[in-house]
Amino acid sequence: EAGVTQFPSHSVIEKGQTVTLRCDPISGHDNLYWYRRVMGKEIKFLLHFVKESKQDESGMPNNRFLAERTGGTYSTLKVQPAELEDSGVYFCASSRAAGGYTDTQYFGPGTRLTVL
Amino acid sequence: AQSVTQLGSHVSVSEGALVLLRCNYSSSVPPYLFWYVQYPNQGLQLLLKYTSAATLVKGINGFEAEFKKSETSFHLTKPSAHMSDAAEYFCAVTERGGNNRLAFGKGNQVVVIP
Repeated sequence: EAGVTQFPSHSVIEKGQTVTLRCDPISGHDNLYWYRRVMGKEIKFLLHFVKESKQDESGMPNNRFLAERTGGTYSTLKVQPAELEDSGVYFCASSRAAGGYTDTQYFGPGTRLTVL
Repeated sequence: AQSVTQLGSHVSVSEGALVLLRCNYSSSVPPYLFWYVQYPNQGLQLLLKYTSAATLVKGINGFEAEFKKSETSFHLTKPSAHMSDAAEYFCAVTERGGNNRLAFGKGNQVVVIP
């Protein structure tokens, strides 16, 4: 089965521009997560979808970040307008069953975002 | 809220020597604990996880970890390092009965010296 995929793998944009990151979870996985790693820091949780609903978005840094998961399949994370501190690696993960907190989260390779 | 401490961002180990990566956690409720590995240009891959069954957990590629409640630790070990073990390793925790979010440590970049 195909793993979690993310697009693009790298993105370089200027401050003030808009960027949209995409994540395709493993087919059939209800749970989809977004995480971010800023350079030199730990990987931090951003938000969690169960199917198309936002279960927990307490990790979203501010209202410049908008995540969607229409139809409960792929998800997008839009940053508008981007700021320098948004640079980092954005990871997406998915897991199978809703509410299964022992379920393994399968991670994608990440999108490296650089804001100049 | 749960948190994880991994000391020493870079760890050097000789090929054939013991690999020991330390992880200490804090959690207000019994935790679930994970070790993930990230090889270059790949996503995080689960090495092993503790979910309240056996306290000594065996994972892939010869790694194992032991949950010690009294020490709030979940250290990762491998008896003999191989060149292919060069990667970044992350310890993570999630709370039993809580939400599903993972809280990660800062990671250990492991370098294997021939």
